[in-house]
Amino acid sequence: SQQGEEDPQALSIQEGENATMNCSYKTSINNLQWYRQNSGRGLVHLILIRSNEREKHSGRLRVTLDTSKKSSSLLITASRAADTASYFCATDEASGGSYIPTFGRGTSLIVHP
Amino acid sequence: ETGVTQTPRHLVMGMTNKKSLKCEQHLGHNAMYWYKQSAKKPLELMFVYSLEERVENNSVPSRFSPECPNSSHLFLHLHTLQPEDSALYLCASSQDFFPGEQYFGPGTRLTVT
Repeated sequence: SQQGEEDPQALSIQEGENATMNCSYKTSINNLQWYRQNSGRGLVHLILIRSNEREKHSGRLRVTLDTSKKSSSLLITASRAADTASYFCATDEASGGSYIPTFGRGTSLIVHP
Repeated sequence: ETGVTQTPRHLVMGMTNKKSLKCEQHLGHNAMYWYKQSAKKPLELMFVYSLEERVENNSVPSRFSPECPNSSHLFLHLHTLQPEDSALYLCASSQDFFPGEQYFGPGTRLTVT
């Protein structure tokens, strides 16, 4: 079953602009992660935010988590052409006594130089 | 991409063939995963091995058969596949069983003809 759902599905911006993408999920979580995937390649971990955290920064990335709304956002500031990729959120979904990683469909970001 | 490697990178096979995908991680991790990524679908978790023991089988058809001979190697044996099995197959590893940061390989692009 799908836990995380990213929004928008696609985003096209100019270099230097900020990009914001959102993730909504359905059940309670322990943590939420964001990943990036360049076309046809493996995913690269960007940031993990725990359920007791509200905001986290890593370089030009800012992630927020609102557990009351079951949503998270990823902000990329001062975007570059190299940020062009798909971005996925992953949450932990309870399954048979353990937690399994569940990904959304992703947001496809295009940054025009 | 020396952390998690996958071979082959591309594979074309007929529906009656038998082939295997290989994944190797050089990170000293204890958990390894197989994912299937199809166009416009969320990343699907297929199998998880933690300390060489299979933890989760996500109702994957029996034509996919995983093997984990040790904590560094993971195989996905394929036989009598269907065209809808064409996808990018991604291997990942993590220090311990999820939740936690996963490291992905570059993937094997599989085409079933």
